[in-house]
Amino acid sequence: NAGVTQTPKFQVLKTGQSMTLQCAQDMNHEYMSWYRQDPGMGLRLIHYSVGAGITDQGEVPNGYNVSRSTTEDFPLRLLSAAPSQTSVYFCASSRDRVSYEQYFGPGTRLTVT
Amino acid sequence: DQQVKQNSPSLSVQEGRISILNCDYTNSMFDYFLWYKKYPAEGPTFLISISSIKDKNEDGRFTVFLNKSAKHLSLHIVPSQPGDSAVYFCAASDLGSGNTGKLIFGQGTTLQVKP
Repeated sequence: NAGVTQTPKFQVLKTGQSMTLQCAQDMNHEYMSWYRQDPGMGLRLIHYSVGAGITDQGEVPNGYNVSRSTTEDFPLRLLSAAPSQTSVYFCASSRDRVSYEQYFGPGTRLTVT
Repeated sequence: DQQVKQNSPSLSVQEGRISILNCDYTNSMFDYFLWYKKYPAEGPTFLISISSIKDKNEDGRFTVFLNKSAKHLSLHIVPSQPGDSAVYFCAASDLGSGNTGKLIFGQGTTLQVKP
């Protein structure tokens, strides 16, 4: 199993550009989530999904969209990038909503200039 | 408002000694707690967890203690090894909140274990 994969590993955007961060898991996990990690802030939940077709907002959802059309994939869309979205983004999955032992991807480092 | 706090940004210990990482929380509804370990350029990996019905959970060199009255948990690593050098995050959840699986993370503590 590849586990949780994320692409790209690094990305530089200009303010106002849009892009999609890809996340896929091959463990047939129901629950997937996106976090951002900023210095001194820990990991903050952006959006999460408890199954295909179901998504909800986390702590810091503004400026991001998600969709979950399949169990495997959970892309994160930046609609109009801003410098405040410069961060490291992690995707995670877990077996079900009561299994909090989440498996994380390797992360995407995004810089917005 | 930071509901989960790790007030020590860094900790340095000698190899073979005990490492104690601390975490405080403010939300009394939290009833499940986890520790994750993160190496540079990698995603966090699950380390150990504890439910609020327990006050201690052990897994090899790692033990987590929970003091519900103080809203405090700690992770003990004995003996510490250089390979334990990493950032440690504590996280908390409210199992009763519709079981959505949402985790609230602390800021992280960087542990350095010196040979």
